Amino acid sequence: QVQLQESGPGLVKPSKTLSLSCSVSGASISSGAYHWSWVRQPGGKGLEWIGRIYTNGITNYNPSLKSRVTISVDTSKNQFSLKLTSVTAADTAVYYCARDLGPGVGMDVWGQGTTVIVSS
Amino acid sequence: EVVLTQSPGTLSLFPGERATLSCRASQSVSSTYLAWYQQRRGQAPRLLIFGASNRATGIPDRFSGSGSGTDFTLTISRLEPEDFAVYYCQKYSTSPPENTFGQGTKVEIK
Repeated sequence: QVQLQESGPGLVKPSKTLSLSCSVSGASISSGAYHWSWVRQPGGKGLEWIGRIYTNGITNYNPSLKSRVTISVDTSKNQFSLKLTSVTAADTAVYYCARDLGPGVGMDVWGQGTTVIVSS
Repeated sequence: EVVLTQSPGTLSLFPGERATLSCRASQSVSSTYLAWYQQRRGQAPRLLIFGASNRATGIPDRFSGSGSGTDFTLTISRLEPEDFAVYYCQKYSTSPPENTFGQGTKVEIK
């Protein structure tokens, strides 16, 4: 059974960089069949897709966040990571990682989510 | 940029009733690239429907999806207590390659 688990600081200061990791168990992150995505959800609001990484290292990002986002993969640890620079209070949200089966199939396995608060 | 608009914002129904949720796209969307998710309170989203009408693994057959072009529908034939949640539609775009969610429809107990 595939499981994803987010980890990282729950509090980040404004203007700093938010860094999260997603550990994957039950599947190899380097399997060509999957992509790996990040999605966030501000409190009481809807879902916002942040971006995805393919196993070949290619990334796609939400245009509204593209200038501040980097998603990377560490195959040795079987995990992928999110970095979001120059954060503000608007970046406060629950951050989810998800397995993305690609166009036409959707995101079928999700982590439980981790809350990140941007505050001084 | 294609925008997904879901309606209604909130749907108040009794258990056992039928729920019909709408997702309208600002431009035509390939049905192949349209998915629906359920999010219960305090939980991560769960994939319900992909390719507009295909149920994901383990999803009960009371959930069904339909539609094409700009209009898509999620139907729950008979609401069970665990179905009261927020539902999101999502589309995949090819150029640029990205995912977009609708703003969600909350199905609440009347």
